[in-house]
Amino acid sequence: DAGVTQSPTHLIKTRGQQVTLRCSPKSGHDTVSWYQQALGQGPQFIFQYYEEEERQRGNFPDRFSGHQFPNYSSELNVNALLLGDSALYLCASSHTSSGELFFGEGSRLTVL
Amino acid sequence: GDSVTQMEGPVTLSEEAFLTINCTYTATGYPSLFWYVQYPGEGLQLLLKATKADDKGSNKGFEATYRKETTSFHLEKGSVQVSDSAVYFCALSETVIKAAGNKLTFGGGTRVLVKP
Repeated sequence: DAGVTQSPTHLIKTRGQQVTLRCSPKSGHDTVSWYQQALGQGPQFIFQYYEEEERQRGNFPDRFSGHQFPNYSSELNVNALLLGDSALYLCASSHTSSGELFFGEGSRLTVL
Repeated sequence: GDSVTQMEGPVTLSEEAFLTINCTYTATGYPSLFWYVQYPGEGLQLLLKATKADDKGSNKGFEATYRKETTSFHLEKGSVQVSDSAVYFCALSETVIKAAGNKLTFGGGTRVLVKP
């Protein structure tokens, strides 16, 4: 049983560019959450998707947007990249019945 | 808003030593509390959890007790191994929308290095 998978694992972008990160949830899970983990810090909640809609959102600007597809996979999009967007982006999936989160290994974004 | 404060690392120990990582929290309601572990090159893994006051979570020799009176959830292990070297995160969840799953607020993490 595959766990949460994310792609790409590493990527480098320049300021002003746009990036899309992808996440496939653990089998049987219907909810996907995204977190940003800056170097040396704890993860911060970006948003959560359930039934293809954004259910909850953290304190992140509109440059951060997402999408959930009918197969429950999800994308995180960041526009107009800033140097401060450099971080490890973690995807976590869960099922509404339990709520326990399972995390992927993350996508490490470097903005130059 | 909710917040979690945990002791800064790195914490360096010898094998078989006793480990304590302090964690305190601020929350408006009655949160669930968690400890996650992040091994090098891996994603976060749930280590243990407690959902109400005085509950004790335990796993792999680690324990933590939910102390409402001191708003704390300190992680302890009696005898650490080299394989316990990792970053440990304390977190809380106040699930506003019951069916939506945990939205976690994390502490800054504590790096633990166990030497043989």
